[in-house]
Amino acid sequence: EAGVAQSPRYKIIEKRQSVAFWCNPISGHATLYWYQQILGQGPKLLIQFQNNGVVDDSQLPKDRFSAERLKGVDSTLKIQPAKLEDSAVYLCASSLGQGTDTQYFGPGTRLTVL
Amino acid sequence: AQSVTQLDSQVPVFEEAPVELRCNYSSSVSVYLFWYVQYPNQGLQLLLKYLSGSTLVESINGFEAEFNKSQTSFHLRKPSVHISDTAEYFCAVSLGGYNKLIFGAGTRLAVHP
Repeated sequence: EAGVAQSPRYKIIEKRQSVAFWCNPISGHATLYWYQQILGQGPKLLIQFQNNGVVDDSQLPKDRFSAERLKGVDSTLKIQPAKLEDSAVYLCASSLGQGTDTQYFGPGTRLTVL
Repeated sequence: AQSVTQLDSQVPVFEEAPVELRCNYSSSVSVYLFWYVQYPNQGLQLLLKYLSGSTLVESINGFEAEFNKSQTSFHLRKPSVHISDTAEYFCAVSLGGYNKLIFGAGTRLAVHP
């Protein structure tokens, strides 16, 4: 079974530029998560989708971050404009449903903002 | 609000020695508890989880964790570590429901020969 796919793996941009990350979850998984992991910290949930609807985006900085999950499969996370403090690893995860279903993580995208 | 504290940021240990990685949580309601592992250059993987029932849970590679409600702890142990256990370990809690995970800052386990 293929795992969660993410691209790109690495991205370097200058502040005030925009960037987008892509995630393809495990086939059949209804729930998709985006996490931000700053160096030295644990992952922090940014947004959670159930199919193509948002169930939690309370920690998403909506003035600069946006995410969508068209057709309830792939998802993109965008930052516009980027700030220095956005430098982090962005992790995508998916699970069959909600409750206590195991979350499976992708390899992450390492973003460096100069 | 829920929070997770991993008391050690780094734990160095020699091969075949025992190890304990500590995790304490704060919550006013019942939680579910998880340990995730991140090997170098890989994504996070679930190591083990406590949902209900026996307070002692085990993983397939020899780790175990015990849920202690009175001490609000979920420490991870292994009686004899291998070089291949070198990784970063994250403790996390969830309320179930929407399955939102709240992670600790992680503990880097370094196993030396």
